[in-house]
Amino acid sequence: EAGVVQSPRYKIIEKKQPVAFWCNPISGHNTLYWYRQNLGQGPELLIRYENEEAVDDSQLPKDRFSAERLKGVDSTLKIQPAELGDSAVYLCASKVRAAYNEQFFGPGTRLTVL
Amino acid sequence: KQEVTQIPAALSVPEGENLVLNCSFTDSAIYNLQWFRQDPGKGLTSLLLIQSSQREQTSGRLNASLDKSSGRSTLYIAASQPGDSATYLCAVINQGGKLIFGQGTELSVKP
Repeated sequence: EAGVVQSPRYKIIEKKQPVAFWCNPISGHNTLYWYRQNLGQGPELLIRYENEEAVDDSQLPKDRFSAERLKGVDSTLKIQPAELGDSAVYLCASKVRAAYNEQFFGPGTRLTVL
Repeated sequence: KQEVTQIPAALSVPEGENLVLNCSFTDSAIYNLQWFRQDPGKGLTSLLLIQSSQREQTSGRLNASLDKSSGRSTLYIAASQPGDSATYLCAVINQGGKLIFGQGTELSVKP
């Protein structure tokens, strides 16, 4: 069974440019998460989806970040415009709906903003 | 607000040594605690998940303990190997299944 797939794996952009990350969760996983991991830190939750509904986006900087999961399967996270401080690894995770089931993580996208 | 702290931030040991990684959390009202491994440039791999009703979990050379009342967890690695070199992250799972991570311990096992 395929794991969580993310693309691209690496992205280098100049500040003020837009960027988008894509995630395809494990088949059958209703819940999808986007995390941001700064260098030397643990991941921090940006947004959680239950199917196509964003149920927790309290940590998403809504002035420049947006996310969608239109059909309740794959998801896209966008930053527009990117700032230097957005350089980080963006991780996607998924799990089945039950609250305490294990989350499975993708390999992440490493973003560098110059 | 739940805060998770891991000590030390980095650790270097010779091969074969037994070692302990520490994790502490400020709010004891957790549901589960989970230990992850992260290799450079890779995502997170789950190592052990301890439910709130449990005190420890074991998998091979790894043993994780949980003391909710004191807000502490430890990950014990027996007979360390160079392949154990990675960053180890602990995360508490609060209401709703939300993971709150520590900053990680970077482990280096020297041959």
